[in-house]
Amino acid sequence: AQTVTQSQPEMSVQEAETVTLSCTYDTSENNYYLFWYKQPPSRQMILVIRQEAYKQQNATENRFSVNFQKAAKSFSLKISDSQLGDTAMYFCAFSIHSGTYKYIFGTGTRLKVLA
Amino acid sequence: DADVTQTPRNRITKTGKRIMLECSQTKGHDRMYWYRQDPGLGLRLIYYSFDVKDINKGEISDGYSVSRQAQAKFSLSLESAIPNQTALYFCATSSARGYHEQYFGPGTRLTVT
Repeated sequence: AQTVTQSQPEMSVQEAETVTLSCTYDTSENNYYLFWYKQPPSRQMILVIRQEAYKQQNATENRFSVNFQKAAKSFSLKISDSQLGDTAMYFCAFSIHSGTYKYIFGTGTRLKVLA
Repeated sequence: DADVTQTPRNRITKTGKRIMLECSQTKGHDRMYWYRQDPGLGLRLIYYSFDVKDINKGEISDGYSVSRQAQAKFSLSLESAIPNQTALYFCATSSARGYHEQYFGPGTRLTVT
């Protein structure tokens, strides 16, 4: 069965510091996509960053970057120069498009940025 | 204007009632999805539709039905609501090309008493 595990239910970081959120997943598929979504208190789900499994280069979007380790099935999110607006729930997810379609979310990590 | 809209935003209903949640999108995407979010469980896929004539069950479809009225509209129905269907419901869309990232509506908070 395909699963996504986020082992850190809650984290906190000081403003301007760097924080890394962990995500591991399990699948027997070779081609898939990985995502991090952010859900602020407004409850809107917002895409933060995405990665194709066949690309070895780690994705980067401004202050957000990932460390993708395909063999270890690990997809962590690093937030640099944390800002108060980064306070949110962060969900890791992956999607598979061969055979039965699947889009699997982890249970989330609640991040609080402290002033 | 929001690209993906959901109505209602909040709803309280009684056990046994039929309720419909509606979703509309202006992104021009073919693919639409319904999820529910429960505390500690993340998002789980209820139904998805890759085009108007294509409807598929997701992980937790029991107790739900859907209708894809047009490319831009995808409705979720609870035929006879029960309290454990109390949750936050999200509609999402995606393109058939590219990375398949999903774009979400603002969510509907549903409470079944």
